Amino acid sequence: QQQVKQSPQSLIVQKGGISIINCAYENTAFDYFPWYQQFPGKGPALLIAIRPDVSEKKEGRFTISFNKSAKQFSLHIMDSQPGDSATYFCAGASSGGYQKVTFGTGTKLQVIP
Amino acid sequence: NAGVTQTPKFQVLKTGQSMTLQCAQDMNHNSMYWYRQDPGMGLRLIYYSASEGTTDKGEVPNGYNVSRLNKREFSLRLESAAPSQTSVYFCASNRLAPNTGELFFGEGSRLTVL
Repeated sequence: QQQVKQSPQSLIVQKGGISIINCAYENTAFDYFPWYQQFPGKGPALLIAIRPDVSEKKEGRFTISFNKSAKQFSLHIMDSQPGDSATYFCAGASSGGYQKVTFGTGTKLQVIP
Repeated sequence: NAGVTQTPKFQVLKTGQSMTLQCAQDMNHNSMYWYRQDPGMGLRLIYYSASEGTTDKGEVPNGYNVSRLNKREFSLRLESAAPSQTSVYFCASNRLAPNTGELFFGEGSRLTVL
């Protein structure tokens, strides 16, 4: 059962454009919503994370928007660059003894010049 | 700092063979995890170890066993490999606090079962 649904599966954006990836969750016990970035041949790495009591978080060109009532959140990459080409995973995390992180299915982003 | 180190990086097995994937972290983290990554399915948790001396099943544990050898090391064993276990395996770890959803991943072990 997929507790975090992610779309689209793949995305092609021109350099300078805005990349938008959407996620929806079911588990209201999540207390953090991280986004991971994965380059080919590497492991995922944390990009940015948001708590459910915050509606938006911005770090550089990356912004998470969070809608608690709709159980949805999204990643916006402004001024997308070819170096942003990677696979992005949204996730829900719940604490309590260990870090239970449930991942979405991933979005492969390609930024073309 | 090496972070999370996985060995081997690549492995080809025949159906029915066994093997162990090794993972070690040098960040003094309490919890360690094994995930598998398959196209279109994201990362799925196989087993985790909340702390030294404990292990628990995750979402897809069938066909796998784990050992938390000490605080640094967490191994994943395939007793009788099947083609369905062809995947990329990632080991991860995290500190106890703060709990921000941050896992530290290794670079992965790519396993093909023929």
